[in-house]
Amino acid sequence: DIQMTQSPSTLSASVGDRVTIACRASQTISSWLAWYQQKPGRAPKLLIYKASILESGVPSRFSGSGSGTEFTLTISSLQPDDFATYYCQQYHTYWTFGQGTKVEIK
Amino acid sequence: QVQLVQSGAEVKKPGASVKISCKASGHTFAPYIIHWVRQAPGQRPEWMGWINTGNGDTNRSQKFQGRVTISRDTSATTAYMELKNLKSEDTAVYYCARIAGVLNAYFDYWGQGTLVTVSS
Repeated sequence: DIQMTQSPSTLSASVGDRVTIACRASQTISSWLAWYQQKPGRAPKLLIYKASILESGVPSRFSGSGSGTEFTLTISSLQPDDFATYYCQQYHTYWTFGQGTKVEIK
Repeated sequence: QVQLVQSGAEVKKPGASVKISCKASGHTFAPYIIHWVRQAPGQRPEWMGWINTGNGDTNRSQKFQGRVTISRDTSATTAYMELKNLKSEDTAVYYCARIAGVLNAYFDYWGQGTLVTVSS
C-alpha cells in the first residue's frame, strides 16, 4: 500500500497568513494527487487534483505543487472560511489519504 | 448539478449487517464509478471499494474482502454498500463518492455521509 504522510498535523495561523501543508508519498505517484478540505460534520470537498489543477469554483488563493513523492498545498492568504482540516489523497494505486492537517485560529 | 444522497444513520449490534444506499441525480448514472469511503471518528478517510454502475464490476480493499458487498440498481440510480459481521471498530461515517473518470480517479462529488454506530 502507498502510505501518505502530511505535516504538520496541526497548524495555528491568522487571517491573512500564507499557509503551506506538506504531503509525502511512500513511493512515487507521479502527479496523481488530490487535496480536499473537510469541515466538521461535512464530507470532504475537492480543492485540487493532479497535484496542481484547481477544481472549478475553488478560490485562486489555493494552489498545489509537486510530483513524485513530495507535494504541497498553499493558501496564499488565509480567510475565515479556510479554518478546516485538509487531506491529501493519492490515486496512483488504489486510494489512500494522509492523516490530515488541521488549520486552526491562532 | 450532481447529487449523491445517502440513507440515514444506523445503530447496529456487533455481528449484525448494515446496508447503506447512495442515490445519484443530476448526471447519467451509468456508466460511472461510485466509491465507498469510511471515516472513523478523528481518523483519516479510508477507501473501501467501488462499483462500475454500468456493468456492475466491483473492486474492494483487501481489508474488507469477505465482509463488504457493493451493488447497484440502475433503474433506481442507486448504489449500495453492505458491511457484514459488524465490530465496534466499524463505527464510522460512511460516504459514497463519484470519481471524475478512469484517468481522473479523484473524488469530485460526495454523498453527505451515513453514520453507522456499532454498539452492544
